[in-house]
Amino acid sequence: DQQVKQNSPSLSVQEGRISILNCDYTNSMFDYFLWYKKYPAEGPTFLISISSIKDKNEDGRFTVFLNKSAKHLSLHIVPSQPGDSAVYFCAASGAAGNKLTFGGGTRVLVKP
Amino acid sequence: GAVVSQHPSRVICKSGTSVKIECRSLDFQATTMFWYRQFPKQSLMLMATSNEGSKATYEQGVEKDKFLINHASLTLSTLTVTSAHPEDSSFYICSARSGGAGNQPQHFGDGTRLSIL
Repeated sequence: DQQVKQNSPSLSVQEGRISILNCDYTNSMFDYFLWYKKYPAEGPTFLISISSIKDKNEDGRFTVFLNKSAKHLSLHIVPSQPGDSAVYFCAASGAAGNKLTFGGGTRVLVKP
Repeated sequence: GAVVSQHPSRVICKSGTSVKIECRSLDFQATTMFWYRQFPKQSLMLMATSNEGSKATYEQGVEKDKFLINHASLTLSTLTVTSAHPEDSSFYICSARSGGAGNQPQHFGDGTRLSIL
């Protein structure tokens, strides 16, 4: 039973445009959500997070939106750059510091 | 800040060998570290939660006698794959979370590619 799902396995976007990555979850006990970026043969790199008391968090080119009623979050990257090409994972936890449940990942390709 | 170092990055060894992987938090103290496994083209699956000074908590289906975890200090956790077999070949990644109140992200090491011949 996948508690965190990323339904789009891949995304292709032109450089300079917006990349929108989506993530859905089923466990209503999740209250902290994170996005990670991962290159092959490397560990995930933390990008941005959001707690359930907020609906938006922004950090530079990255913005995460949370819709609790829909159990849905998204990551917006604007403008997209070729160096953003990687696999992006969303993750969720049920309490501060608790174990993370990861989505299946979305491979993003930013074309120059 | 928040750098996690994992060593070795790659191991190739014969079936039956035990392999130890180290995970260090370089610039912060980590009361909790996590060990994940990733199969090709799949997501990260949590294997166990490692707590400094106490026994690790294993996820369902993970053999604790097979995957020995030791968290002897606030900056070091080790995962030992005992009597490794080809089916243990995988990408193992650790993460660490700094202490303190509130939500803190986990920071990951660069992983260890384990290949059992």
